[in-house]
Amino acid sequence: DTAVSQTPKYLVTQMGNDKSIKCEQNLGHDTMYWYKQDSKKFLKIMFSYNNKELIINETVPNRFSPKSPDKAHLNLHINSLELGDSAVYFCASSDARGLANSYEQYFGPGTRLTVT
Amino acid sequence: AQSVTQLGSHVSVSEGALVLLRCNYSSSVPPYLFWYVQYPNQGLQLLLKYTSAATLVKGINGFEAEFKKSETSFHLTKPSAHMSDAAEYFCAVSTGGGNKLTFGTGTQLKVEL
Repeated sequence: DTAVSQTPKYLVTQMGNDKSIKCEQNLGHDTMYWYKQDSKKFLKIMFSYNNKELIINETVPNRFSPKSPDKAHLNLHINSLELGDSAVYFCASSDARGLANSYEQYFGPGTRLTVT
Repeated sequence: AQSVTQLGSHVSVSEGALVLLRCNYSSSVPPYLFWYVQYPNQGLQLLLKYTSAATLVKGINGFEAEFKKSETSFHLTKPSAHMSDAAEYFCAVSTGGGNKLTFGTGTQLKVEL
């Protein structure tokens, strides 16, 4: 029973292409996130959605567009891929409703994107 | 604004020795603090969290951390290191409802025989 799943796990593509990464959580959480981990393993939040509404957008290029069709899904679409987009992208989810286990973020296994 | 500083990007200990990974935070409001572990080619797993209850927090795999407000610290410890503890460890801080986690730069723990 995978709590937070991402597809694909690996993505190799050429500069200029458009690609998408999908994320699904089965924890019943109301908030989902995308993080980027660079080659030095630094983790930085990109986006956060609460109940399908965008609540965090951290100075990410317009080429990145998140889409949340429902509370359990948050997809990341990237246009015109650049070499600098190569990284590991993590999806995460949490329950922000102030319950006992709130604020814990559960992470997916990551998607390693390589742009050549 | 919130931030986290992890002292030591690499820490090496002998198996059976004490593990101490340092984390200092900066926050203008009472923080929530977390330690996550990342094994090679895997996602992040929550080790433990501080959410304004007990200042000494026990987590999984024998790890614990103590919140010290006067020192703005949340250091991670384990009395006896095991080979399986070798991984990357991240300290993180969250404020304002927990919607945004700010991570430290990570500490890679190496455990030697």
